[in-house]
Amino acid sequence: SQTIHQWPATLVQPVGSPLSLECTVEGTSNPNLYWYRQAAGRGLQLLFYSVGIGQISSEVPQNLSASRPQDRQFILSSKKLLLSDSGFYLCAWSVFEDTQYFGPGTRLTVL
Amino acid sequence: AQSVSQHNHHVILSEAASLELGCNYSYGGTVNLFWYVQYPGQHLQLLLKYFSGDPLVKGIKGFEAEFIKSKFSFNLRKPSVQWSDTAEYFCAVNDFSSGSARQLTFGSGTQLTVLP
Repeated sequence: SQTIHQWPATLVQPVGSPLSLECTVEGTSNPNLYWYRQAAGRGLQLLFYSVGIGQISSEVPQNLSASRPQDRQFILSSKKLLLSDSGFYLCAWSVFEDTQYFGPGTRLTVL
Repeated sequence: AQSVSQHNHHVILSEAASLELGCNYSYGGTVNLFWYVQYPGQHLQLLLKYFSGDPLVKGIKGFEAEFIKSKFSFNLRKPSVQWSDTAEYFCAVNDFSSGSARQLTFGSGTQLTVLP
């Protein structure tokens, strides 16, 4: 069966510091991968998606970037965090354009 | 652009009461529809989905949803809620307006609290 991992589970970072969040999927090949941010009372906002290694589409201009160095690995990064980057970050995967399945998420607090 | 509205932000019910959570979307073409649930301290899980066929979809834990195309709605229902149904519920839609169905648009969520 397929599983999705995210780490770290929680992270507290100072403003201006770099960020790297990792997501890996097991049990499937060539998945579509997604990064979302969940804000309280505002649902989930799609940040990036990827249909293959090195292929990244950005949905919202911002201080973040994404990379996909391996088929089942998706990384969310920032060179310098802002206070507004605080939130709950979710990774998801799907096969073709079917149902998206979500990871446990990373709670990021920028101080 | 697609938008999804969940008009009930917080619903409080007693156990055994019936539940209906509203979800409306804006895109008039072909859509896939989803309800996800997030229990306290757990990750987002798929509750049910509609791609085609019978507009009444049954999901896990006794939940069902009805797709009414003329009303652009996909309301979630359960005849008798339990305390364990306390969670946040998200409606989501992906459409084919851009030629692919990768754009999953979420509603803002409805927090359901079931009182024992």
